[in-house]
Amino acid sequence: RKEVEQDPGPFNVPEGATVAFNCTYSNSASQSFFWYRQDCRKEPKLLMSVYSSGNEDGRFTAQLNRASQYISLLIRDSKLSDSATYLCVVNDYGQNFVFGPGTRLSVLP
Amino acid sequence: SAVISQKPSRDICQRGTSLTIQCQVDSQVTMMFWYRQQPGQSLTLIATANQGSEATYESGFVIDKFPISRPNLTFSTLTVSNMSPEDSSIYLCSVAPGGAGETQYFGPGTRLLVL
Repeated sequence: RKEVEQDPGPFNVPEGATVAFNCTYSNSASQSFFWYRQDCRKEPKLLMSVYSSGNEDGRFTAQLNRASQYISLLIRDSKLSDSATYLCVVNDYGQNFVFGPGTRLSVLP
Repeated sequence: SAVISQKPSRDICQRGTSLTIQCQVDSQVTMMFWYRQQPGQSLTLIATANQGSEATYESGFVIDKFPISRPNLTFSTLTVSNMSPEDSSIYLCSVAPGGAGETQYFGPGTRLLVL
């Protein structure tokens, strides 16, 4: 079983749609969690950290369920510019970042 | 955050040769990482390069193939040695200014094609 798994995608959604991505991780000792965004032929960039209480940044909402070892990302009112690959990242303090395989999103006009 | 540059941005190399990739950060950081991203794949950590100590390599990566230097807190190099076509990939460096477990910031990557 892979350490971090994500919805395989791709997701093709119309502008304005709401889309949710799921991520599961295998190491129950994992301490910090992130969503990164990677545009085609670019480096990954931090979208948001994921906190136990859940957090929201504009149209983006991240949730963490430690009991189920599950992380989600919700994007509301999708924009064309949201088209990218979304990477779920899990870290154990003293260990390293583990990247999920990514979920590709295409927002269509 | 941190601003990171990498050189070269891309290269095409012949098999059997070596390429050294440079990573420069605009601030002093202890933790620096080197990743590989093969076509259509996610990122795989090659090694952690902390200043003042030898790099720590992940399973499947060895120092003879990927020697790393970290001479100071703003600079590191990764060499891809004795290249083969399987080494064709994007190589990215990253830093964690906040320390272990905190956000990592990535350089723009070096696209390597080995013929």
